[in-house]
Amino acid sequence: EAEVAQSPRYKITEKSQAVAFWCDPISGHATLYWYRQILGQGPELLVQFQDESVVDDSQLPKDRFSAERLKGVDSTLKIQPAELGDSAMYLCASSGGVLGYEQYFGPGTRLTVT
Amino acid sequence: KQEVTQIPAALSVPEGENLVLNCSFTDSAIYNLQWFRQDPGKGLTSLLLIQSSQREQTSGRLNASLDKSSGRSTLYIAASQPGDSATYLCAVRVGGTSYGKLTFGQGTILTVHP
Repeated sequence: EAEVAQSPRYKITEKSQAVAFWCDPISGHATLYWYRQILGQGPELLVQFQDESVVDDSQLPKDRFSAERLKGVDSTLKIQPAELGDSAMYLCASSGGVLGYEQYFGPGTRLTVT
Repeated sequence: KQEVTQIPAALSVPEGENLVLNCSFTDSAIYNLQWFRQDPGKGLTSLLLIQSSQREQTSGRLNASLDKSSGRSTLYIAASQPGDSATYLCAVRVGGTSYGKLTFGQGTILTVHP
């Protein structure tokens, strides 16, 4: 069964350092989402791609966060510099195919900023 | 702005009990509603998806209902088992497309004890 892949699964970094997360969506899925989930809360959308174009980044802190999906397949989310408040689970999801309305989530990357 | 609320925040029940989890949303103009399960430290697994034109969906021991006009959904779990212990999240998709972002509730932490 096809799955969304994410790496790394866990990341510990010091404040002010740069960190990057990678996501490989299900093959053929045109829409890719990055969510941030703070402990005890539901996920919140950071950025949404349709193919290689950003369609929603209204909640992305653009002074420190960036995201790209250059060839419309896999994607990278970067934080520079990391702050203590960035500690969270970063989830990637994709949707597409014939019906296209169900989102499939990856296992997430747990980020701890010290 | 769409807001999603889940009640209760936590629930502990003995094995075999039937239970109901509640979800409410402030804007009834939704495209669909999705229930997810999340195990500790893991990604999200989709349980049920209800389109805005539907009233309920069933999968095994799970039944989800949707009352769009009142902004409510319930997830009914029959004959609960210890393996059902997890966080349950509901999410609504707004906008007129199937690729819109999900807005999540904060989740209900379910514990089923033997």
